[in-house]
Amino acid sequence: QKEVEQDPGPLSVPEGAIVSLNCTYSNSAFQYFMWYRQYSRKGPELLMYTYSSGNKEDGRFTAQVDKSSKYISLFIRDSQPSDSATYLCATLPGYALNFGKGTSLLVTP
Amino acid sequence: GAGVSQSPSNKVTEKGKDVELRCDPISGHTALYWYRQRLGQGLEFLIYFQGNSAPDKSGLPSDRFSAERTGESVSTLTIQRTQQEDSAVYLCASSLEGASGSEQYFGPGTRLTVT
Repeated sequence: QKEVEQDPGPLSVPEGAIVSLNCTYSNSAFQYFMWYRQYSRKGPELLMYTYSSGNKEDGRFTAQVDKSSKYISLFIRDSQPSDSATYLCATLPGYALNFGKGTSLLVTP
Repeated sequence: GAGVSQSPSNKVTEKGKDVELRCDPISGHTALYWYRQRLGQGLEFLIYFQGNSAPDKSGLPSDRFSAERTGESVSTLTIQRTQQEDSAVYLCASSLEGASGSEQYFGPGTRLTVT
């Protein structure tokens, strides 16, 4: 079993929709959780960083960690075509990031 | 400020040739990482440097892969006798320190194609 599982999609939504992206992880000891955004043929860009449980909000983006169910979520409000990218969740048990496979998101005008 | 840079951006090589990939981390970042992203796969950790030493090489897939870092700055990933399964995007990241929880910032990657 991979340590981080993520549905690869693709996920297609109309502009303005609320997007929900999700991951599950296997090790309850994980404390650090990240979301990266990766545009085609670019490197991953750190989007959100969360420690332990709870919510973190940054503009239209909200990251949520539920440690009881080992579930990580990213919500995008008022989605824009420029949000079309692959979203990667990751945990950081030590120094090496454990990534999910990424979810491909397409926001259509 | 300047981000992580990598060169070349693309590399096409024949099977059996050696290749060198370069990474310039963010200035002042002591920790440097190499990851590999194969088509349809998630990012795989290859190696971690703290300063010029590599405390963890566990992710290197075979002894054809090696890496070094000099001057606590530039790092080079070398793949000898390349195979077709080495085709992937090789990503470098750096962080201020190597402690758990340090935010890692990625470069644009080198896309390696082995023909």
